[in-house]
Amino acid sequence: GAGVSQSPRYKVAKRGQDVALRCDPISGHVSLFWYQQALGQGPEFLTYFQNEAQLDKSGLPSDRFFAERPEGSVSTLKIQRTQQEDSAVYLCASTLQGGTDTQYFGPGTRLTVL
Amino acid sequence: QKEVEQNSGPLSVPEGAIASLNCTYSDRGSQSFFWYRQYSGKSPELIMFIYSNGDKEDGRFTAQLNKASQYVSLLIRDSQPSDSATYLCAVNGPNSNSGYALNFGKGTSLLVTP
Repeated sequence: GAGVSQSPRYKVAKRGQDVALRCDPISGHVSLFWYQQALGQGPEFLTYFQNEAQLDKSGLPSDRFFAERPEGSVSTLKIQRTQQEDSAVYLCASTLQGGTDTQYFGPGTRLTVL
Repeated sequence: QKEVEQNSGPLSVPEGAIASLNCTYSDRGSQSFFWYRQYSGKSPELIMFIYSNGDKEDGRFTAQLNKASQYVSLLIRDSQPSDSATYLCAVNGPNSNSGYALNFGKGTSLLVTP
């Protein structure tokens, strides 16, 4: 594939709704990261996968956030019972192996919670 | 909290001038240093990466790293209006779980005026 893709690009949710955000990494990339970027801030780490294993979820803001990558390729970030403070751009990045490899970012999903 | 600090700007330079963007980091264990450019409403795009002390040049861009002083900078020569964007400094290094997740600064807004 050409690059990291994410869908949907934009999502508007009413407070309390559940949302699911999808990330398709570059084919063959082992490591996948999710970041959250609030307006005017730099991206902040949420969670990390190596293949299908979620090795770190320390950045997830609450237990309403859940991520999975069951077959080691596509990943889904799910947010339950969305709150206004969840409004942000959610970025997915992948690297070939991990470590200090360059991370390539997808276009992001802009989530607005009303 | 491992900090990455950047002046938020805006940094305004005239077209054709050199733009100098600076970043300091607190974690001495950091191993890799990245500069991403982010246009408004877009995802971060990698500009440069640097691993070793000294300078690294790529076209109009030069990254400078000084691990002893814990700073990294980006010089943009012959600045163009199309360089106007937010520049994000990111560092990573060994972490027991998060697979070298990037730690970003808040970004410096650069405005190149014609």
